[in-house]
Amino acid sequence: DVVMTQSPLSLPVTLGQPASISCRSSQSLVYSDGNTYLNWFQQRPGQSPRRLIYKVSNRDSGVPDRFSGSGSGTDFTLKISRVEADDVGVYYCMQGTHWPLTFGGGTRVEIK
Amino acid sequence: QVQLQESGPGLVKPSETLSLTCTVSGASLSNWYWSWIRQPAGKGLECIGRIYPSGVTNYNPSLQSRVTLSVDTSKNQFSLKLSSVTAADTAVYYCARGSLAPDYWGQGTLVTVSS
Repeated sequence: DVVMTQSPLSLPVTLGQPASISCRSSQSLVYSDGNTYLNWFQQRPGQSPRRLIYKVSNRDSGVPDRFSGSGSGTDFTLKISRVEADDVGVYYCMQGTHWPLTFGGGTRVEIK
Repeated sequence: QVQLQESGPGLVKPSETLSLTCTVSGASLSNWYWSWIRQPAGKGLECIGRIYPSGVTNYNPSLQSRVTLSVDTSKNQFSLKLSSVTAADTAVYYCARGSLAPDYWGQGTLVTVSS
């Protein structure tokens, strides 16, 4: 299985400050169709995961432009430009390129 | 809008079979993979398997010997069966649309394995 390694495990952030989450894969995530299926999900307490970013850098409808994704190959980043209270939760990266799908261990974002 | 809803027993006895159904509204099952993903309490996410409306399935090798997915296009539903369950199978089970980049997820259903 492709191992997805996220860091940090926990990320205390001051409101209005930026935050950055790293995700590394044990293999390249470039699919046979040329796309890279690296996705980011937000899971607020008591809720199901919500997709924020797909194929590395495409923001889903309704996702604030404070969220951005970047990276290539095996190294990816999710950035929040200015953290708001609503951003508290656990963030997961997920690869869909190789079967089985695998997720990172999660990064808990909290407000300082 | 697309909505997914998991249903099934919340309590299953050890060694028995867990059965869940996902009902999809606002979208046809056609042309999409449909996935099952689970999350033990306080832990991360694990892919169980996926199914295409034609019946093509892929299972996580770690669960393959115990998992069966099926689809009923007439009811716009797909289902999960997990046999010989143990306490380690206690988790919130989610159904989701898509596989490469699942976009819509159900709210999840907690299944507890206990006698």
